[in-house]
Amino acid sequence: QKEVEQNSGPLSVPEGAIASLNCTYSDRGSQSFFWYRQYSGKSPELIMFIYSNGDKEDGRFTAQLNKASQYVSLLIRDSQPSDSATYLCAVNMGTGFQKLVFGTGTRLLVSP
Amino acid sequence: EAQVTQNPRYLITVTGKKLTVTCSQNMNHEYMSWYRQDPGLGLRQIYYSMNVEVTDKGDVPEGYKVSRKEKRNFPLILESPSPNQTSLYFCASSFGGSYNEQFFGPGTRLTVL
Repeated sequence: QKEVEQNSGPLSVPEGAIASLNCTYSDRGSQSFFWYRQYSGKSPELIMFIYSNGDKEDGRFTAQLNKASQYVSLLIRDSQPSDSATYLCAVNMGTGFQKLVFGTGTRLLVSP
Repeated sequence: EAQVTQNPRYLITVTGKKLTVTCSQNMNHEYMSWYRQDPGLGLRQIYYSMNVEVTDKGDVPEGYKVSRKEKRNFPLILESPSPNQTSLYFCASSFGGSYNEQFFGPGTRLTVL
């Protein structure tokens, strides 16, 4: 069974702090990794994607990938109350085709 | 506006009454997929389609049917709904391949009594 694991949380951080969200995956051959944000009752929306080992930055968001450790993370700097949502880690486990496997998500709460 | 649409957004029905949830995208995507989302279980794939007339089972296909007669549409059919199919359903589409993001529809909240 190909799996993606996330801590369900909630992860509580004060406004302005760095939030660190983590994800591990079981399929060593996975090549692409996505972070989606989902507000309660709404559909997932893409925050970032990463394909290569290392860090990828986009504004306040940084995705980190370590394929050897099968670990991907999302850092949110200067967290805002509007960042309060569930963050879904998705790993493409298809070989040459799209097969996204989602984690159950980490709920982030940013307090003013 | 590029989007994925689903209808209906909310549906309450009774056990055994056939229903169809429609999904349509205007981005000329080859790949379309249906997911269900349940508390504690996350998003699980029901069926997917790589192109017109090409569909395959996902991880939880039992009790569902799909068809892909046109590129833009990918309806989800529940021929005899049961209470365990009460869930939040999402349709998604993309250009396929390993590196393209999936765009999600707004979701359909289904309750089967």
